[in-house]
Amino acid sequence: GENVEQHPSTLSVQEGDSAVIKCTYSDSASNYFPWYKQELGKRPQLIIDIRSNVGEKKDQRIAVTLNKTAKHFSLHITETQPEDSAVYFCAASNDRGGADGLTFGKGTHLIIQP
Amino acid sequence: DTEVTQTPKHLVMGMTNKKSLKCEQHMGHRAMYWYKQKAKKPPELMFVYSYEKLSINESVPSRFSPECPNSSLLNLHLHALQPEDSALYLCASSLTNEKLFFGSGTQLSVL
Repeated sequence: GENVEQHPSTLSVQEGDSAVIKCTYSDSASNYFPWYKQELGKRPQLIIDIRSNVGEKKDQRIAVTLNKTAKHFSLHITETQPEDSAVYFCAASNDRGGADGLTFGKGTHLIIQP
Repeated sequence: DTEVTQTPKHLVMGMTNKKSLKCEQHMGHRAMYWYKQKAKKPPELMFVYSYEKLSINESVPSRFSPECPNSSLLNLHLHALQPEDSALYLCASSLTNEKLFFGSGTQLSVL
């Protein structure tokens, strides 16, 4: 089955600086890579996703890059703000014609220092 | 309606109780999922229903019993749980095997 590794487990950055979270996956058949943000006591919320036929995707201050050859993908947050503080999970799945669910990384606790 | 609704939000039960968690979505999604999440851990997949049929059961103990009465509803029946089953239980749905939308979860405590 798929295995997703995520680093770092905790990331502390100054407000206004950039944050980068990295993930690697093991199953070369995986073709969909979402990122979820989970605030304390709340549900995971999809913030951005990328498919394997795309190398980079950007949405305002958030971007995701994918290197399919190396089997790794990264989340980039620029101009960080206090409300970016949360746990971020990367995930991977593949569309084999069925619903297999997502395999999640262990999560990164992002702390934005004022 | 772009929400996945879960009830109850909180549940405390004894080890001999029987209870049910409920999940509902009206987005026309044909895949629905149950995940279990312990504090500071990622969600762990428990069950997947695709077109109202159970397609994945991730070796979950039989004290957890899923049910999908129709394409909009998903239940999780609980019986004789253990204290280590205390966790946040998340329901999710998706149109395909992508873009999972999560409910707000049921925080379960087993005494």
